Amino acid sequence: DMKVTQMPRYLIKRMGENVLLECGQDMSHETMYWYRQDPGLGLQLIYISYDVDSNSEGDIPKGYRVSRKKREHFSLILDSAKTNQTSVYFCASSFLGVNQDTQYFGPGTRLLVL
Amino acid sequence: GDSVTQTEGQVALSEEDFLTIHCNYSASGYPALFWYVQYPGEGPQFLFRASRDKEKGSSRGFEATYNKEATSFHLQKASVQESDSAVYYCALRSNYQLIWGSGTKLIIKP
Repeated sequence: DMKVTQMPRYLIKRMGENVLLECGQDMSHETMYWYRQDPGLGLQLIYISYDVDSNSEGDIPKGYRVSRKKREHFSLILDSAKTNQTSVYFCASSFLGVNQDTQYFGPGTRLLVL
Repeated sequence: GDSVTQTEGQVALSEEDFLTIHCNYSASGYPALFWYVQYPGEGPQFLFRASRDKEKGSSRGFEATYNKEATSFHLQKASVQESDSAVYYCALRSNYQLIWGSGTKLIIKP
């Protein structure tokens, strides 16, 4: 069963605390993504990972970093979270090939930074 | 840079109405085009894609035709149901990323 999982699903943190969001996939996809979604702004790409230890910045990487040590697992880290990082975060994965580029999304993590 | 424009932020229809959600793109060549649907509280789900001029993509009663001349990929459905209430996103592939439209919320009136 093709699946992208995200943990935790809901998270409340105080400003300045560190945040770790985790994503897993069971489809052996090379490429994984982190997005954030805010009302009225659609999906914004934070980071993209092409495989283990091969990560690139997306459109809004400031304040975030990522880690990918296994193909099936991709983490998003917020060092010293800020209130403007309150959002819904989605992880996605896909194959790298031109005609295999459908992205599969997880259910999202709803982060509130107080 | 490449871009996707969805002109309707919201569409309100009654059950069995015909649906059109407009999507226009700006990109060189023949980028792959996608439609995704997002239900409340869930992540976006892939509907279908097309990558050649005049190619029709379809799924679950929805369809769209790649129109290179008009740079469009409009989503249509002949008869909407209450279960179609969701946000619909058009996207295009640019390098290894998807460029997303702003989304169109479909509301089915009671």
